[in-house]
Amino acid sequence: GNSVTQMEGPVTLSEEAFLTINCTYTATGYPSLFWYVQYPGEGLQLLLKATKADDKGSNKGFEATYRKETTSFHLEKGSVQVSDSAVYFCALWGAGNMLTFGGGTRLMVKP
Amino acid sequence: NAGVTQTPKFQVLKTGQSMTLQCAQDMNHNSMYWYRQDPGMGLRLIYYSASEGTTDKGEVPNGYNVSRLNKREFSLRLESAAPSQTSVYFCASSEGGAPRWETQYFGPGTRLLVL
Repeated sequence: GNSVTQMEGPVTLSEEAFLTINCTYTATGYPSLFWYVQYPGEGLQLLLKATKADDKGSNKGFEATYRKETTSFHLEKGSVQVSDSAVYFCALWGAGNMLTFGGGTRLMVKP
Repeated sequence: NAGVTQTPKFQVLKTGQSMTLQCAQDMNHNSMYWYRQDPGMGLRLIYYSASEGTTDKGEVPNGYNVSRLNKREFSLRLESAAPSQTSVYFCASSEGGAPRWETQYFGPGTRLLVL
């Protein structure tokens, strides 16, 4: 079946630091890949997506590239802000027609 | 627009009690979903509804029932709550009615504690 593995958190960074959150997946066929973000006290929001190999999704300074050869979709941001503090979920849509989520990675950004 | 709303925000139940979690969306979406979120496990799909009057099981449906009351509302019922159902429950909706990926919009969640 489908599965998504994310690095465990929390990840604690200082403001303006570089962010990488690792995500790898297992799936049959050619899944679509997503990053969702959950701010404190809120539901999840779609952050970015990529639907085929080598696609790069980007939004709000965040980027992730769909790497089929390494089955990865790592999230990166060049300079994080305190307002980026949240829980980030990697997810895929594949066979079975449902979203499969990773366990989430909590990011804490200190001023 | 309020988007997706859920009630209640927090609930404590004793083992064996029943309750219904309510969800409503005002975006005229066809599809609605119920997920549970457990620490370290991400979100798992309990049930979904692709249109009014239809429901389908997700990954973890045991112990739950759902009702798609109308296009706006999708409720989740626990008939006899168990401690294993302690979790945060999220409702979501999306525009289409076919099983294809599209952006899902999430409510703020209901935190349920079963003692």
